[in-house]
Parts: sequence; C-alpha cells; structure tokens
Amino acid sequence: DAGVIQSPRHEVTEMGQEVTLRCKPISGHNSLFWYRQTMMRGLELLIYFNNNVPIDDSGMPEDRFSAKMPNASFSTLKIQPSEPRDSAVYFCASETGPGNTIYFGEGSWLTVV
Amino acid sequence: DQQVKQNSPSLSVQEGRISILNCDYTNSMFDYFLWYKKYPAEGPTFLISISSIKDKNEDGRFTVFLNKSAKHLSLHIVPSQPGDSAVYFCAASANNQGGKLIFGQGTELSVKP
Repeated sequence: DAGVIQSPRHEVTEMGQEVTLRCKPISGHNSLFWYRQTMMRGLELLIYFNNNVPIDDSGMPEDRFSAKMPNASFSTLKIQPSEPRDSAVYFCASETGPGNTIYFGEGSWLTVV
Repeated sequence: DQQVKQNSPSLSVQEGRISILNCDYTNSMFDYFLWYKKYPAEGPTFLISISSIKDKNEDGRFTVFLNKSAKHLSLHIVPSQPGDSAVYFCAASANNQGGKLIFGQGTELSVKP
C-alpha cells in the first residue's frame, strides 16, 4: 500500500527560479495538506484541500506561493519566484476525512541559493 | 500567532527512564490532540491521540495526558529506549475547522544508552 508520494525529494535552485513540488496522496483520501517545516515555527500548514477544493489557504506566506489540486490523485505547490528564505522541507499529507489520522509523505527538501 | 506551543526544543533522557514532552495550546475550540514522531529525512508519523472528552490515553509505553483547564497536554514514554530518539510534534484540531491540524514547533528527544 503506497503512502503519500512526493517529488522531488531534494531540489536546489537559484533565487528567482520557479519551483514546483508534486504530491500524490493515498488513494481514497479526500483531504490533502501542504505543510512547511522550519526551525522556528515547526510544521506550518500552508493550505489544505477537501475533495480537490481549497478550503483554507490562510497559511500561504505570500502571492509567490500557489497550490492546485486538479484531481483526487495529484497536487502541486508552486513558488514563483523563489527566494532563499523559502528554503525548508515541504511536506504533503492526506487523510480520509476530517478527524482521521493524517499521513505524511517523506518531504521535499528545497534549497534556494 | 502560535496556537500550539512546545517550549522545549530538546530533551535528553537516560535509557529506561521516563520521558515527558509538554505541549500548550491557546485555542479553546481544539477538541482533538495528537502526537507525531519524526525521524531525520522521513515524514512525521502518527503516534497517539486523545479526544477532549478524555484526560488520558495509553498505548503501550506511550501515554498522553490532557488538562483542558490548563490547555496543556503531555506525552509520557516509559521506559524510554534509544529508538525513541526523534523529534516529537504535538498537534491539535477543532471539529469546526474541517480537520485542519495545527502543529507545534517540535521537541527533539535524545535517549542515551
């Protein structure tokens, strides 16, 4: 049973470049979350979707960040243009529905130089 | 505005002793609390949870205590083992917020042999 799959696992990019992170949730899960891990704030919720619809994007830092979920099995988180302060680990997670256990992917390690 | 706080960034414990990890929250609407464990280069994995209608939940060596009046929860690990060394995240959700999980900053536990 495949878990949440994220790609790329690691990315190093130059400031100003566009970065796209990808996520495949667990099949049958209706909710998808994007989190960012930083030393200062731990795991920050950026955005979450329920049945492919964005429900709460209040955690998205600024307009440079955007997320889409075109179908139940795929989501992207895009940063354009990227900045060094965006360097972090970005986690995608999914759950069967509100109140159930959230399962995380292994994360995408982003370094912007 | 950090709604879930873990004020101890790190904790060191001797093998066989008790580990106590603490977490405070500010949102009185939270009604479900969880602990996640994270090893380096992996995504967080669910450990144990507690509903606000309970004040204790036990699973093997792991026990979570909830003090609603103090808006405080703790995770006890007894006896601690070297394999328990990881970062532990406290998380909370409110039923009226669609299952959105808010995480703390994490506490890095080191269990020394």
